Amino acid sequence: DTGVSQNPRHKITKRGQNVTFRCDPISEHNRLYWYRQTLGQGPEFLTYFQNEAQLEKSRLLSDRFSAERPKGSFSTLEIQRTEQGDSAMYLCASSLSGRSGNTIYFGEGSWLTVV
Amino acid sequence: AQKITQTQPGMFVQEKEAVTLDCTYDTSDPSYGLFWYKQPSSGEMIFLIYQGSYDQQNATEGRYSLNFQKARKSANLVISASQLGDSAMYFCAMREGAGANSKLTFGKGITLSVRP
Repeated sequence: DTGVSQNPRHKITKRGQNVTFRCDPISEHNRLYWYRQTLGQGPEFLTYFQNEAQLEKSRLLSDRFSAERPKGSFSTLEIQRTEQGDSAMYLCASSLSGRSGNTIYFGEGSWLTVV
Repeated sequence: AQKITQTQPGMFVQEKEAVTLDCTYDTSDPSYGLFWYKQPSSGEMIFLIYQGSYDQQNATEGRYSLNFQKARKSANLVISASQLGDSAMYFCAMREGAGANSKLTFGKGITLSVRP
């Protein structure tokens, strides 16, 4: 399967712990996005990379959140000192840059539950 | 103002019938793209169809078509010959600006249930 891959798919953690999610994009895609989705809502943009450069961050991305894409391939999203409000699904997506019609393809998401 | 509005709380359709899912959008940028995604209970966002603001014809992809009314700023998704597997959440999204230089903004989604 050559789609966007995310792991772990599910994570339950205690409040205050750190968690890290990994995303492997479609291999030829140079853009990678992170979104957060809570129950009953559409995905909300968090940040995106073009190659290894982080080009935009949402104000939703507090200081406890950090994303990296060190070699322009896979990316990690780390949440430090988790809070119950961080419980959500974290979606990764990838695309090619260049044309507005270039589709953004999503992974299956990583569900986070903070207890 | 919300950029993408999906107000239908939930839709029901009989198997094999057609259904229209509504989406209105708000942008002042003359160049934009509109996308529809399907999200089954597993969570994956599945791309369905794309419409560019300068496209002259309405987009179609198999059983999916997009009823694009630019003056009304609406981009409704039409699913023909509904199947049980079409039961899912459906999200309308917009990318503003030329090129693939910006993020997608999503609506809140619509739940579609297909009845046998």
